[in-house]
Amino acid sequence: SQQGEEDPQALSIQEGENATMNCSYKTSINNLQWYRQNSGRGLVHLILIRSNEREKHSGRLRVTLDTSKKSSSLLITASRAADTASYFCATDFYGNNRLAFGKGNQVVVIP
Amino acid sequence: EPEVTQTPSHQVTQMGQEVILRCVPISNHLYFYWYRQILGQKVEFLVSFYNNEISEKSEIFDDQFSVERPDGSNFTLKIRSTKLEDSAMYFCASSELVSNYGYTFGSGTRLTVV
Repeated sequence: SQQGEEDPQALSIQEGENATMNCSYKTSINNLQWYRQNSGRGLVHLILIRSNEREKHSGRLRVTLDTSKKSSSLLITASRAADTASYFCATDFYGNNRLAFGKGNQVVVIP
Repeated sequence: EPEVTQTPSHQVTQMGQEVILRCVPISNHLYFYWYRQILGQKVEFLVSFYNNEISEKSEIFDDQFSVERPDGSNFTLKIRSTKLEDSAMYFCASSELVSNYGYTFGSGTRLTVV
């Protein structure tokens, strides 16, 4: 079955730097979503990109989607210590009312 | 901003006992979901619920699981006879419509089966 799969990374960056993480998936999707999870807490929806979109921005977040490569990237610009969290991509594919989550990327922003 | 509320935040139960996890979805949302996350693993879909019935369920959602919307506001997940491997964080989520809209997740219930 289809799965969102991030490049398994633990990123450690300095405050002010950009953080990039990637996600790949296997089959056609309706949309791809990114979520943030602070340690032991719930999932916070960050951004959704539809299959017919190639790039989307929300504040300091930039998401790209390449359906030919079945991949997406999340860029956080000018990172802050508060961005320290795990970031998950999740795919929502046609005909299926469920999200398939990847394993998550842990990002640590050092003040 | 509207929230999905889950109670309790942490529950410890003995193996074989029944547990009920409670959720209050966002009031104008129509679709409700349960997901779980075993420690260190992926978030996994359990079940989706629409119009007072299950619309999708995963292989994990076997006969020991059930969901209910008893009173038009609460959405519950019942595990009839808990097993050690049911220990996980359980997330409730709701969405206004299906597809092309993000989900709002609750902060989760950490279930520990001993």
